[in-house]
Amino acid sequence: DQQVKQNSPSLSVQEGRISILNCDYTNSMFDYFLWYKKYPAEGPTFLISISSIKDKNEDGRFTVFLNKSAKHLSLHIVPSQPGDSAVYFCAASAAVGAGSYQLTFGKGTKLSVIP
Amino acid sequence: AAGVIQSPRHLIKEKRETATLKCYPIPRHDTVYWYQQGPGQDPQFLISFYEKMQSDKGSIPDRFSAQQFSDYHSELNMSSLELGDSALYFCASSLGTEKNIQYFGAGTRLSVL
Repeated sequence: DQQVKQNSPSLSVQEGRISILNCDYTNSMFDYFLWYKKYPAEGPTFLISISSIKDKNEDGRFTVFLNKSAKHLSLHIVPSQPGDSAVYFCAASAAVGAGSYQLTFGKGTKLSVIP
Repeated sequence: AAGVIQSPRHLIKEKRETATLKCYPIPRHDTVYWYQQGPGQDPQFLISFYEKMQSDKGSIPDRFSAQQFSDYHSELNMSSLELGDSALYFCASSLGTEKNIQYFGAGTRLSVL
């Protein structure tokens, strides 16, 4: 049972336009959400996160929106650049043990930014 | 800035052999996580350690064990390797005051032949 879902395996966007990556979750215990970017042969790189008590967090070209009632979050990249081309993973966490917040990942969306 | 260091980057083993993967967290980080990513899959949580004690366990086979040492580095020991163990193994670390944000290493690619 996939608790974090990224329904779009791939997305193509023109350089300079907005990229919108979507993510849905089913577990109401999740209280923190993160986006990671991954290039081939590298580990996931942390991009931006949001706590469940907020509905928006912005960092430069990246903005994450959270809709708790819909159990949906999205990552907006504006403007998109060719260097943004990578696989983007949505992840969620809930405190489970002392000092541990295991991440549950979606299957990723491959973003291609076309020059 | 220092990142999470994993070694080796690549490892080739035969079935039924053993393998040891090492992870050196970012300095001052007190929590280490291990994840397994199969081909075309999302990373799956295996196990975590906080202040050298196991703090959580995920879908880790009984053939695998792990520990965190006094210098906070961690090792994942895998015995009786099977073909299905071929995957990317990521280690991540986090800091006590920012536990939700995990920083990942580049991973170890294990191939079992």
